[in-house]
Amino acid sequence: EAGVAQSPRYKIIEKRQSVAFWCNPISGHATLYWYQQILGQGPKLLIQFQNNGVVDDSQLPKDRFSAERLKGVDSTLKIQPAKLEDSAVYLCASSLDLGETQYFGPGTRLLVL
Amino acid sequence: SQQGEEDPQALSIQEGENATMNCSYKTSINNLQWYRQNSGRGLVHLILIRSNEREKHSGRLRVTLDTSKKSSSLLITASRAADTASYFCATDGAGYALNFGKGTSLLVTP
Repeated sequence: EAGVAQSPRYKIIEKRQSVAFWCNPISGHATLYWYQQILGQGPKLLIQFQNNGVVDDSQLPKDRFSAERLKGVDSTLKIQPAKLEDSAVYLCASSLDLGETQYFGPGTRLLVL
Repeated sequence: SQQGEEDPQALSIQEGENATMNCSYKTSINNLQWYRQNSGRGLVHLILIRSNEREKHSGRLRVTLDTSKKSSSLLITASRAADTASYFCATDGAGYALNFGKGTSLLVTP
């Protein structure tokens, strides 16, 4: 069974530029999550989808971050404009359904200069 | 907000020894999960324990959960150098999204 796929793996941008990350969850998984992990800390939830609907986006900085999950499969996370403090690893995870084990992708490491 | 708090923050042991990591949390949970993260890599799921379970085993891993004390422990027996990683506990809330602690950094030396 293929795992969660993410791209790109690394991205370096300058502040005020925009960037987009892509996630392909495990086939058949209804729930998809985006987490932000700053160096030395645990991951923090940004947004959670159930199929193509948003379940929780309370910690998403909506003035600069946006995410969508069209057709309830792949998802994209966008940052526009980026700030220095957005430098982090962005992790995508999926689970069969709410309350089931979450499986993580390898992450996208973002550096904002 | 981060709910889980792992203890200790760092642990250094020799191969063959057992490693114990603890996790405390603040609010009621549905499940508690433990993950491993090697440097610069993604999170690997180790074990999920539900709120009505007290103990669970998986290979060299043993997890306990005490909901009355809002705490969990992860025991790795007969540790190996390959176990060197950061270990996170994660609790879920109403929406089942995970709240992670800052992790325990485990170093296993040959």
